Amino acid sequence: AQKITQTQPGMFVQEKEAVTLDCTYDTSDQSYGLFWYKQPSSGEMIFLIYQGSYDEQNATEGRYSLNFQKARKSANLVISASQLGDSAMYFCAMREGENTGNQFYFGTGTSLTVIP
Amino acid sequence: DTGVSQDPRHKITKRGQNVTFRCDPISEHNRLYWYRQTLGQGPEFLTYFQNEAQLEKSRLLSDRFSAERPKGSFSTLEIQRTEQGDSAMYLCASSFGGQGKNIQYFGAGTRLSVL
Repeated sequence: AQKITQTQPGMFVQEKEAVTLDCTYDTSDQSYGLFWYKQPSSGEMIFLIYQGSYDEQNATEGRYSLNFQKARKSANLVISASQLGDSAMYFCAMREGENTGNQFYFGTGTSLTVIP
Repeated sequence: DTGVSQDPRHKITKRGQNVTFRCDPISEHNRLYWYRQTLGQGPEFLTYFQNEAQLEKSRLLSDRFSAERPKGSFSTLEIQRTEQGDSAMYLCASSFGGQGKNIQYFGAGTRLSVL
């Protein structure tokens, strides 16, 4: 089974509107971390936001927020007030277990296009 | 700090040749990771170092692949006898070990094309 599932290969959003990118995960560990990265066409993976499995509140970082629903095993990224520079690939990732050195599992990504 | 640096950014080689990539992590980071990313996919884990020790290797890392981090700073990834299936983006990431989030910071990658 896939550890991370991103079901939206491509999304379009009007500039200044909000958009939600979906992510579901699969793990039997009680302790895990969830991450979102942005990958522009230049190739570099840019860290956006982190949510720990024990965090009671949803994470927020500027225009990014993470809608964490633990029982549903979902960790959707919400981008508010979209900008043209937000057009990129977005990847959801998970680190399992207590060992913070563990590898990340990535989804297949969602391509976001912001329309002027 | 300038972030994670990878060299070269692009490499074109003929099948059967050996190639070597270099990664310079963020200076205070003791953990270093290599990932491979093919078109339309997310990055896949290859191997991980804590300081100079290689602690984990993926099944994806065949005998033709070897990685080193001799002094616990920069790392090299070598692919021997390259095959067309090795064509991919090779990403390096680093993080600061210990309790906490373990956010991995990535370089811009090395894009390998095997002809």
